[in-house]
Amino acid sequence: GAGVSQSPSNKVTEKGKDVELRCDPISGHTALYWYRQSLGQGLEFLIYFQGNSAPDKSGLPSDRFSAERTGGSVSTLTIQRTQQEDSAVYLCASSLARAGGTDTQYFGPGTRLTVL
Amino acid sequence: DQQVKQNSPSLSVQEGRISILNCDYTNSMFDYFLWYKKYPAEGPTFLISISSIKDKNEDGRFTVFLNKSAKHLSLHIVPSQPGDSAVYFCAATDYNNNDMRFGAGTRLTVKP
Repeated sequence: GAGVSQSPSNKVTEKGKDVELRCDPISGHTALYWYRQSLGQGLEFLIYFQGNSAPDKSGLPSDRFSAERTGGSVSTLTIQRTQQEDSAVYLCASSLARAGGTDTQYFGPGTRLTVL
Repeated sequence: DQQVKQNSPSLSVQEGRISILNCDYTNSMFDYFLWYKKYPAEGPTFLISISSIKDKNEDGRFTVFLNKSAKHLSLHIVPSQPGDSAVYFCAATDYNNNDMRFGAGTRLTVKP
């Protein structure tokens, strides 16, 4: 399997708890994106990593959200003090380079987060 | 702010007929547009794209049309097949930004 993988596939947590979502991009892909899809909404851009450059965090909805990408590969999205409105499917995608060019983004299957 | 809109949440067509999925955008800076297809429990997969310098791009049964003056694009699937049943997302980006804006999706059902 050379695709993008995400874990866990499902996460149920209680309001106020912290959660970590993991993304393993396709090997060799330098660009990595996090999106979320709330019920009935389109995919919402959260954060973008490109190589060793500083990430573009412009889509993060609040300071409770943070993400890291270690060694230019695996990425972790952390949500602190989760709220019910954080419930969504969180999707990770990777590409060879920026999506602004012709490089296709390859998506993982997503993590469905439910905050009770 | 929803810069990309797909106003039809669902569409049902008969096998063999044409499926037309529509998408509107508001940001005139967008210059690259994509369609993604999503099956349940899977991530979206790239289907077809079009640059703003073109008004049509064709790939087999799939054709995307772009009307820049109307800020409208559409995806045509001819002939539609039951395996095309999925949620289709329209997306737009510009070369100067990192984020890609997605529509809410249209669920296509192709009936045998």
